[in-house]
Amino acid sequence: AQSVAQPEDQVNVAEGNPLTVKCTYSVSGNPYLFWYVQYPNRGLQFLLKYITGDNLVKGSYGFEAEFNKSQTSFHLKKPSALVSDSALYFCAVRGSNDYKLSFGAGTTVTVRA
Amino acid sequence: ETGVTQTPRHLVMGMTNKKSLKCEQHLGHNAMYWYKQSAKKPLELMFVYSLEERVENNSVPSRFSPECPNSSHLFLHLHTLQPEDSALYLCASSQGSAGDAYEQYFGPGTRLTVT
Repeated sequence: AQSVAQPEDQVNVAEGNPLTVKCTYSVSGNPYLFWYVQYPNRGLQFLLKYITGDNLVKGSYGFEAEFNKSQTSFHLKKPSALVSDSALYFCAVRGSNDYKLSFGAGTTVTVRA
Repeated sequence: ETGVTQTPRHLVMGMTNKKSLKCEQHLGHNAMYWYKQSAKKPLELMFVYSLEERVENNSVPSRFSPECPNSSHLFLHLHTLQPEDSALYLCASSQGSAGDAYEQYFGPGTRLTVT
């Protein structure tokens, strides 16, 4: 069985400070890892993914994530957060031989001005 | 917008009603998905269609019935729902077939309230 853990329900940072949203996963076989963001009353928007290759993945809106196989983690980072980054962030994982994409429960990010 | 549209955006229905949710993708994708999003819970995958064939039915009650008439359209037919079925229902699509490594693109969702 595959699963995703986002250990923090909420992350609060000041604008201009670094932002990190944590994600750990469990999956059989090679993982496909994704980050999505959801703004109020909207669907999920794709930010970035790791399939293979370089462990540091760069995505939309200045976000990046680092795949760490030994720690089974895929933390989302942004060097300098903006107020507009305030949203709900989801990590998701799928095994390379599976259809099912499993999501974490989400982390609410609040960036204060 | 992501190229995936859902109608209606809001729906209130009684437990004896029959209604349908519609999803349309304008991205030329081959796989489509239905998810249920409830507060404080991870997204729950309900159904997966790949090249118009259902490839996943994630133990969903029979009061939910999907239909995929072509690769651009996906429906979720609802009947005799329960109050606990109230949630945001999200549709998504992806390139290739469902087993490929492509990301999914989501619609804005239908907020369903069962009274």
